[in-house]
Amino acid sequence: AQSVTQPDIHITVSEGASLELRCNYSYGATPYLFWYVQSPGQGLQLLLKYFSGDTLVQGIKGFEAEFKRSQSSFNLRKPSVHWSDAAEYFCASSGGSYIPTFGRGTSLIVHP
Amino acid sequence: GAGVSQTPSNKVTEKGKYVELRCDPISGHTALYWYRQSLGQGPEFLIYFQGTGAADDSGLPNDRFFAVRPEGSVSTLKIQRTERGDSAVYLCASSSLAGGRPDTQYFGPGTRLTVL
Repeated sequence: AQSVTQPDIHITVSEGASLELRCNYSYGATPYLFWYVQSPGQGLQLLLKYFSGDTLVQGIKGFEAEFKRSQSSFNLRKPSVHWSDAAEYFCASSGGSYIPTFGRGTSLIVHP
Repeated sequence: GAGVSQTPSNKVTEKGKYVELRCDPISGHTALYWYRQSLGQGPEFLIYFQGTGAADDSGLPNDRFFAVRPEGSVSTLKIQRTERGDSAVYLCASSSLAGGRPDTQYFGPGTRLTVL
């Protein structure tokens, strides 16, 4: 069975600082990989996705993620965090079924 | 519609009661998904519809949970004999097909179910 691990439950950064949220997946073949953001009272919004090709994926709101097969990782990055980025971030992976398995999420706190 | 809508936004019920949660997907999306999100957890897959039929219902926890999508658009998640452990946010998502496979999922705001 697939699993997705987000090892950090909470991450605190200062506004303007860089950000990296970690995600590790377990799947035998190359999975489809996703990052979603969830703000309070809002539905999940897709930030970016990886299906194949270039391992560095650009997303919305200035986010990017890099697929590293050797590390089974798909970490999310942003060079300069804004206060409005404070939210819950979910990594997800899916295999041939196209049904994503989600990690438990990382809560991002942004200090002014 | 502009996005996925879910009603009600909040539902409080008593243990043992029956509830129905509704999802209205984006117009034209043939794929529809239900998830359950407990506090502090990521969404957990329940069921996936392709058109009117349930293509994958492996995530339904037991036979108290049932979902329908009779006309291939609106879907209803039905929970019988609710238990306190059913309290969670129930999320719905829809997607179109791209190259024969489901494309990006668009999520609704969810229904928060509280079972007292």
